[in-house]
Amino acid sequence: EIVLTQSPGTLSLSPGERATLSCRASQSVASNYLAWYQQKPGQTPRLLIYAASTRATGITDRFSGSGSGTDFTLTISRLEPEDFAVYYCQQYTSSPHTFGQGTKVEIK
Amino acid sequence: EVQLVESGGGLVQPGRSLRLSCEASGFMFDDYAMHWVRQTPGKGLAWVSSISWDSGSIDYADSVKGRFTISRDNAKNSLYLQMNSLRPEDTALYFCAKTTAYYSAMDVWGQGTTVIVSS
Repeated sequence: EIVLTQSPGTLSLSPGERATLSCRASQSVASNYLAWYQQKPGQTPRLLIYAASTRATGITDRFSGSGSGTDFTLTISRLEPEDFAVYYCQQYTSSPHTFGQGTKVEIK
Repeated sequence: EVQLVESGGGLVQPGRSLRLSCEASGFMFDDYAMHWVRQTPGKGLAWVSSISWDSGSIDYADSVKGRFTISRDNAKNSLYLQMNSLRPEDTALYFCAKTTAYYSAMDVWGQGTTVIVSS
């Protein structure tokens, strides 16, 4: 089983700042089959990034993904009020399709 | 509009069974793999089970293996999760989600159905 560890647990930033979220895998994620999701309180998760760096349909270019192997990053270039949420990474290269524990981006 | 609607959740005693359903609309259901993911109150997401478009590939999380069964009826555009021998730790919000391929990111999610296992 591939274990995903996200850091930090909570990120306190102000609107307009840059957010950098990390997702580290316990073993290499083949083909960079790693996704990022955003979840706001009371809402369903929304796919942001797949294949480590490809934005999903309709996702603003303020969101970007990078990385390969065991280290992946989600960057939000300039935080907008609607970006404050919890972000999860997920690997889908092998079963179980594990998720990270999440990073909460909160308003400072 | 692409949509997934879960149903079947509720309050159930430990050891009992429950069957969740997920009705799909707005896309060719039998072209896509489907998945169940759960979320414990205030906690993160946990993958539960996956099924390929033709039911030829099926996987389960270790925590539910032997107790839960995933299935689909492509003629009815529906996905199911039969949950037996339920435990308090199965209490969660259960989402169904679709992917383009079996090993792919979950691009559409339902709103979820809540399962509470308690005596």
